[in-house]
Amino acid sequence: DAGITQSPRHKVTETGTPVTLRCHQTENHRYMYWYRQDPGHGLRLIHYSYGVKDTDKGEVSDGYSVSRSKTEDFLLTLESATSSQTSVYFCAISGGLAGGPVSEQFFGPGTRLTVL
Amino acid sequence: QKEVEQDPGPLSVPEGAIVSLNCTYSNSAFQYFMWYRQYSRKGPELLMYTYSSGNKEDGRFTAQVDKSSKYISLFIRDSQPSDSATYLCAMTPEETSGSRLTFGEGTQLTVNP
Repeated sequence: DAGITQSPRHKVTETGTPVTLRCHQTENHRYMYWYRQDPGHGLRLIHYSYGVKDTDKGEVSDGYSVSRSKTEDFLLTLESATSSQTSVYFCAISGGLAGGPVSEQFFGPGTRLTVL
Repeated sequence: QKEVEQDPGPLSVPEGAIVSLNCTYSNSAFQYFMWYRQYSRKGPELLMYTYSSGNKEDGRFTAQVDKSSKYISLFIRDSQPSDSATYLCAMTPEETSGSRLTFGEGTQLTVNP
């Protein structure tokens, strides 16, 4: 998975609790993304980062916040988890010198989050 | 109305069949088109990449783009059980390293031995 790890890989939590998901890359790619994948919707962008401390909202950002204090780490926080945030979350990176299309995104293995 | 429409399937075919996967889109600004393959419980990986209209072939895979109809296809010849996966189309208006991709829902394909 192109030097991308996500932690935790699985998490079960209760409604109202805060949750933080971590994405770590060893590829020194500039851009990092958080997506959620749900049946009937496919991959939807939550937030993305175009550099350290530079982030912006995607199409489904309500209820989520992000932070990027280092090139290699991008954190996704659910401030107060709800059942509608039960999903599979994928981190992706782009902007390296991999030799393929410059717009290519490389995905992590995913985190399965269940909010009861 | 979604910007990219893709039939989610599931699609089940016998080994050796020719598979056709398709996406339609509404945003005429899309210029760069991709197909990602996602195995069960894994992240998506880029399979094919094309620019504008035309065909691109890579082994058993052919990607086709028809911008006039806003329609893209992925053909798999001599399909194998190892092709069983979800195939997602993706597209973007610009080819830059921070391009935001718009994905289709994905089509789940099973190739039966």
